[in-house]
Amino acid sequence: NAGVTQTPKFQVLKTGQSMTLQCAQDMNHNSMYWYRQDPGMGLRLIYYSASEGTTDKGEVPNGYNVSRLNKREFSLRLESAAPSQTSVYFCASSPKGAAIAKNIQYFGAGTRLSVL
Amino acid sequence: GQSLEQPSEVTAVEGAIVQINCTYQTSGFYGLSWYQQHDGGAPTFLSYNGLDGLEETGRFSSFLSRSDSYGYLLLQELQMKDSASYFCAVGEDSNYQLIWGAGTKLIIKP
Repeated sequence: NAGVTQTPKFQVLKTGQSMTLQCAQDMNHNSMYWYRQDPGMGLRLIYYSASEGTTDKGEVPNGYNVSRLNKREFSLRLESAAPSQTSVYFCASSPKGAAIAKNIQYFGAGTRLSVL
Repeated sequence: GQSLEQPSEVTAVEGAIVQINCTYQTSGFYGLSWYQQHDGGAPTFLSYNGLDGLEETGRFSSFLSRSDSYGYLLLQELQMKDSASYFCAVGEDSNYQLIWGAGTKLIIKP
């Protein structure tokens, strides 16, 4: 099983360019998340999808859009990249169920994005 | 506001025991979790506490006191491979959102 797969692993953009980060999970999880992690900091939630067909804003949604394409896939789009969006982006998923399940998130390997 | 506080860095010796503390202030509470992240890697789940008390998983244990809004991760018999950052996270609401601490970098010396 692949778990959570993110593409690409690395990306360099120029200010103003757009791109979509892809995420897919093969664990039949209901919930999926996009985080960003800046050096020496914890994870900040950008958007999440509690179930197929729903998306909600997290702590830092400005400058981003998301699409929950189906149960497996959750993409993150930067419409006009800015240097402040230079970060490591992680996608995660979690199953539906008891509280412990809700607190266990499975992460992809991350996308390292630089915006020049 | 919502916040989780944990030390930024802890240093310990190989074979020793280390405790990483986490205090939280959140609008809701649906459990305290701990994650490990090696440099350049992704966070991986270590432990979960939904109720007060101690949970043990091998060399790692985690404790929760909801009345004190406090928990800790205890690592025993430290090995060099335990060098990593450790994050506490609180399930803040029933919508599956986690609030994360800034992480504690654990440095292990031989």
